Amino acid sequence: RKEVEQDPGPFNVPEGATVAFNCTYSNSASQSFFWYRQDCRKEPKLLMSVYSSGNEDGRFTAQLNRASQYISLLIRDSKLSDSATYLCVENTGTASKLTFGTGTRLQVTL
Amino acid sequence: NAGVTQTPKFRVLKTGQSMTLLCAQDMNHEYMYWYRQDPGMGLRLIHYSVGEGTTAKGEVPDGYNVSRLKKQNFLLGLESAAPSQTSVYFCASAWTSGGDEQYFGPGTRLTVT
Repeated sequence: RKEVEQDPGPFNVPEGATVAFNCTYSNSASQSFFWYRQDCRKEPKLLMSVYSSGNEDGRFTAQLNRASQYISLLIRDSKLSDSATYLCVENTGTASKLTFGTGTRLQVTL
Repeated sequence: NAGVTQTPKFRVLKTGQSMTLLCAQDMNHEYMYWYRQDPGMGLRLIHYSVGEGTTAKGEVPDGYNVSRLKKQNFLLGLESAAPSQTSVYFCASAWTSGGDEQYFGPGTRLTVT
């Protein structure tokens, strides 16, 4: 079983739609979690950290459920510029090593 | 600040050739990492360093060596390239452990024929 699992998609949504991605992780000892965004043929960039209490950054909301070991990302009012691959990432706490999911591809259309 | 830079951006090697990928960061970060990204596999950690003069193996270290002689530089070496090493290589750096953001370089696209 992969340590971090994501639905690869693609998720094709119209502009203005709300879309949600889930991610499951297997290591119950993982310390922290993140969502990274990766545009085609570019490097990953941090989108947001994920906290147990849930956190929001503009149109983006991230949630962590430790009991069920899953993480979610909600994007409201999707924009064309949101089209990218979203990587679910866990930090096991050892030397800040990150484990990446394979990513979920989002395509926002007119 | 340039952030994290990688040299070269593209390279084609023949099987058995050697090369070194250079990663440089100007953010005074302690931690540096080398990943490879393959279709359907996600990013996988090759080697990492928690400070100048230190290196450690990641998830897929075979066929690669690294050195961190200066804090700002992290070198990844391929001694005898194989087609299985065709990939996109990303370098990243972070200030400390404990959940700090990792900053990535633009990547090196390597093809081994």
